Amino acid sequence: ETGVTQTPRHLVMGMTNKKSLKCEQHLGHNAMYWYKQSAKKPLELMFVYNFKEQTENNSVPSRFSPECPNSSHLFLHLHTLQPEDSALYLCASSHRSGSTDTQYFGPGTRLTVL
Amino acid sequence: DQQVKQNSPSLSVQEGRISILNCDYTNSMFDYFLWYKKYPAEGPTFLISISSIKDKNEDGRFTVFLNKSAKHLSLHIVPSQPGDSAVYFCAASEGEYNQGGKLIFGQGTELSVKP
Repeated sequence: ETGVTQTPRHLVMGMTNKKSLKCEQHLGHNAMYWYKQSAKKPLELMFVYNFKEQTENNSVPSRFSPECPNSSHLFLHLHTLQPEDSALYLCASSHRSGSTDTQYFGPGTRLTVL
Repeated sequence: DQQVKQNSPSLSVQEGRISILNCDYTNSMFDYFLWYKKYPAEGPTFLISISSIKDKNEDGRFTVFLNKSAKHLSLHIVPSQPGDSAVYFCAASEGEYNQGGKLIFGQGTELSVKP
């Protein structure tokens, strides 16, 4: 595997379910990111991790819980989501978390909340 | 309030001609700008960037122009090829380290290059 991978690619869940999204980067980067892209809206940054430490939480509701056990893996734990949380969730990584460090994106997880 | 705007949701261009994608921003503190390209079922891929100390950056067929006074940047693709058909996102950031990698994205423009 190369680059940034995300699993699952598609997920349908009910509002009472608990699920997790997984991201793995094979680029030796130290920073990882979660983004949300809703229909017809720009990508919105959710969380930033730098050397496993969370450095940014962009006012994300607590029903989204990130976890970064090491610099290569990033999870997004989901519980009691709402239908408006249906979106494409993208993971990215970069060498560092500086703004000029190119971010490399995974293919995304298409989430549908029923 | 959206700080980065791409007002054209779509653009159609003939193969071989120039494609011009536009982006406007409102935050005068933005000092680094990027363009990403996204194919269906794939994540965005970095295309080209420009620092606010420059007004032009060129990479092969792709050139980004920055007009700071107008808070406007554009991406020129010459000549356009059918493989360039994708959604193009403009993004901006403020300060190399101050914002911790926080990119603000536009909504995207879908480019279609007709053979």
